Amino acid sequence: GAGVSQTPSNKVTEKGKYVELRCDPISGHTALYWYRQSLGQGPEFLIYFQGTGAADDSGLPNDRFFAVRPEGSVSTLKIQRTERGDSAVYLCASSLVGGAGNTIYFGEGSWLTVV
Amino acid sequence: KNQVEQSPQSLIILEGKNCTLQCNYTVSPFSNLRWYKQDTGRGPVSLTIMTFSENTKSNGRYTATLDADTKQSSLHITASQLSDSASYICVVSDSKGGSEKLVFGKGTKLTVNP
Repeated sequence: GAGVSQTPSNKVTEKGKYVELRCDPISGHTALYWYRQSLGQGPEFLIYFQGTGAADDSGLPNDRFFAVRPEGSVSTLKIQRTERGDSAVYLCASSLVGGAGNTIYFGEGSWLTVV
Repeated sequence: KNQVEQSPQSLIILEGKNCTLQCNYTVSPFSNLRWYKQDTGRGPVSLTIMTFSENTKSNGRYTATLDADTKQSSLHITASQLSDSASYICVVSDSKGGSEKLVFGKGTKLTVNP
C-alpha cells in the first residue's frame, strides 16, 4: 500500500485477555518500528526490526509484550494478559532502511482500550 | 536519561500569524533531530530532518533551526492556517548501538483560530 497500515484501528478488550495488533509497512521498507503513545504524551519506543530480526527490543515494558516479523514485512505486536495500563495508541512506523537520517513514516495507530 | 523538552505546552494564535515552537534536548549521542506534525487521532507526519551539521531546514511554511552546541531547536510557522492546528513533536535520534532510536518530546499543541 501507499502508507503504513495498521489493524485494527480500535480495539476494546477485557483485562487479562490476549491482543494482537498488526502492521503492514510501506512496501520495500526494511526497517519497522513499534511505539506506544499514551494520552498527552509523545510516543515511546518499544521495538525496532531490521528485516526479520529484532535489532532493538529494549523498549518492551515487560515479558507480556512480544513482536514478530517472520517474513520481513508484516509485523504483529502481541500483548498477553492485558492490563488497564496497557491502554494507549500503538503506532507502527517504517523506513526504507534502518540507520540515521532516514524518513520514518508512521501509521495511524491502533487504539487499544483495556477495560 | 535522554530527554526532549518542548515549550510551550500549548499555544493559541490567530490565522495568518507567525509562531515559534521550542525544543531542548539532552539526547546523546546525537544523530539527528526531526519535527513531526500530529493531527488529533492520527499518526505523526514528518516535517523536517536535520543532522548535526545543518542549522536550518525549510518545508513550505515550516522552518526548523538547530543549534547543536546549545542542544536547542525551534520550529517557525509562518502565515499560519487553520489546518496547522495540531501537535508538533520534536524528536531526537539516539543512534547509540547502531540502531536508530527516536526520543519524542511531549509536543506543543497549536490551535489556530480564525
